[in-house]
Amino acid sequence: EIVLTQSPGTLSLSPGERATLSCRASQSIISSYLAWYQQKPGQAPRLLIYGASSRATGIPDRFSGSGSGTDFTLTISRLEPEDFAVYYCQQYGSSPRYTFGQGTKLEIK
Amino acid sequence: DVQLLESGGGLVQPGGSLRLSCAASGFTFSNYGMNWVRQAPGKGLEWVSSILDDAATTYYADSVKGRFTISRDNSKNTVFLQMNRLRAEDTAVYYCAKDRRVLMGFGMDYWGQGNLVIVSS
Repeated sequence: EIVLTQSPGTLSLSPGERATLSCRASQSIISSYLAWYQQKPGQAPRLLIYGASSRATGIPDRFSGSGSGTDFTLTISRLEPEDFAVYYCQQYGSSPRYTFGQGTKLEIK
Repeated sequence: DVQLLESGGGLVQPGGSLRLSCAASGFTFSNYGMNWVRQAPGKGLEWVSSILDDAATTYYADSVKGRFTISRDNSKNTVFLQMNRLRAEDTAVYYCAKDRRVLMGFGMDYWGQGNLVIVSS
């Protein structure tokens, strides 16, 4: 079973700053199968990035994804007030079919 | 617009059963896989189950295998999650989510609003 470990657990930044969130897999995964989601309190998750680096429909270009193998990164170039939320990475594999990271909480400093 | 409307949650005693439904609209339902993802109070996301567009191929997390059954009715654009032998640790908000592509693994692009299931005596 592939385990996804996200870091940091909590990231405290100010609007306008750059955010870098990490997702590390316990073994190499196919980049096509790596996604990132944003979740705000009381809301369902929202797909941000699929295939490690492709933005989903309607996602602003300040969000970008990168990485390969075991190390993946979600970058928010310039934080807007609405970006403060919890972010999850997700991978698709053989068993279990899907695995989520434990999440990174991005909070206002 | 794509919409996923869940129903069927509520309070159930340990060992009991519950059936969740997710009614879809705004896309060709029979062309896409569907998923259930849950979130225990204050916790992260946990994948529960998936069903492919063919309605025959299903997958389950080990934590629910043998107790939960996913199914779909393509004529009614609805996916179901039958939950039996419920445990306290099944308490969570359950989301249905649509696969972004026909094939699994390329992201879940639309999610329902979530349906709370509480297992407690």
